Amino acid sequence: AQSVTQLDSQVPVFEEAPVELRCNYSSSVSVYLFWYVQYPNQGLQLLLKYLSGSTLVKSINGFEAEFNKSQTSFHLRKPSVHISDTAEYFCAVSVKTSYDKVIFGPGTSLSVIP
Amino acid sequence: EAGVTQSPTHLIKTRGQQVTLRCSPISGHTSVYWYQQALGLGLQFLLWYDEGEERNRGNFPPRFSGRQFPNYSSELNVNALELEDSALYLCASIWGPEAFFGQGTRLTVV
Repeated sequence: AQSVTQLDSQVPVFEEAPVELRCNYSSSVSVYLFWYVQYPNQGLQLLLKYLSGSTLVKSINGFEAEFNKSQTSFHLRKPSVHISDTAEYFCAVSVKTSYDKVIFGPGTSLSVIP
Repeated sequence: EAGVTQSPTHLIKTRGQQVTLRCSPISGHTSVYWYQQALGLGLQFLLWYDEGEERNRGNFPPRFSGRQFPNYSSELNVNALELEDSALYLCASIWGPEAFFGQGTRLTVV
């Protein structure tokens, strides 16, 4: 069975500082990896995804994540955060051989401090 | 292209009542997931419907049920509501490995 770990439940960071949100997964088969963002009282929005190809993937608003197969990680980074980045971030995995379901991590609450 | 739509957006019910939540997937998508997001508990997988059939369900009691219609829209039914059913219920429309979420239905049980 697959599982996703997000070690940090809450991450406070000052505006314009860099941030890294950690995500590790376990799976015996190849996976697809995702980061979703949830703003208060809203649904989840896809931030970025790794399906194949380059292990470094980027979003349009400055976030990036790198798939590291040996460390089974997919950490999310941004070099300079804005107040508007305050949200809940979820790492998720789905198995390549079966679209059984998307498994989500417990989430990391990012709070950007002015 | 319209996204995933869920209705209603908010709902207040009394313990013991029954509730039906609705979801319309993105046009052309035949697969729908339902998740429960209770406060502090992350996203818990509830149900997966594909081509009108229930394909998988999470670790929830039988009073959580649903169905998928020929137009691929879906309903989630919860009977005998309990206080701990208060949560945001999210529907996701599936295309390949990707999930596209609606805005959710906020259910409050009092």
